[in-house]
Amino acid sequence: GAGVSQSPSNKVTEKGKDVELRCDPISGHTALYWYRQSLGQGLEFLIYFQGNSAPDKSGLPSDRFSAERTGGSVSTLTIQRTQQEDSAVYLCASSPGRGGFRGTGELFFGEGSRLTVL
Amino acid sequence: KQEVTQIPAALSVPEGENLVLNCSFTDSAIYNLQWFRQDPGKGLTSLLLIQSSQREQTSGRLNASLDKSSGRSTLYIAASQPGDSATYLCLLSNTGNQFYFGTGTSLTVIP
Repeated sequence: GAGVSQSPSNKVTEKGKDVELRCDPISGHTALYWYRQSLGQGLEFLIYFQGNSAPDKSGLPSDRFSAERTGGSVSTLTIQRTQQEDSAVYLCASSPGRGGFRGTGELFFGEGSRLTVL
Repeated sequence: KQEVTQIPAALSVPEGENLVLNCSFTDSAIYNLQWFRQDPGKGLTSLLLIQSSQREQTSGRLNASLDKSSGRSTLYIAASQPGDSATYLCLLSNTGNQFYFGTGTSLTVIP
């Protein structure tokens, strides 16, 4: 697609339920990032995928959070046993990576998935 | 550790005024610097990207500069419009592929 696509745009769930958030990066982008933005706060790094390398999971806040990226394209962020403090906007970004003609390292963000845990 | 600060945190100007937003950083070993705008409840829209070897980039009414020696980038907005009202964020990446967001400046352009 033309840009980074995220779904769902809004998700309301009950405490304790599992949720899955999806990110479709820009075609050909090798790098994919997940960030979280709580109300009125800055962006918090969660996880980073680069090509076929092992992901950088250093930002995941607890073991209830996990993410995968299948075939080097679509990524899914899963939150198990959701808590009210998980309520936030989850933003995905992709990048062509670095090096080469197109490798500017520029990040392109999706519109985000707003998660509300009741 | 890289620290990225944007001052002021909030800015209100009358329509038509030229303005400058600031982004200061503590470590000059950067790979690139990117400016974004974020509208309420929306994602981030990329405005300009400056590579480490560049001094400035321009797009329409926007001009971004980079001075690594002083640890500063500025985003200049000419002839501001109410539609420019948003939060502006700078994002630095270092040579180790780590990213650091600025604290943001909330801009309001008054008609």
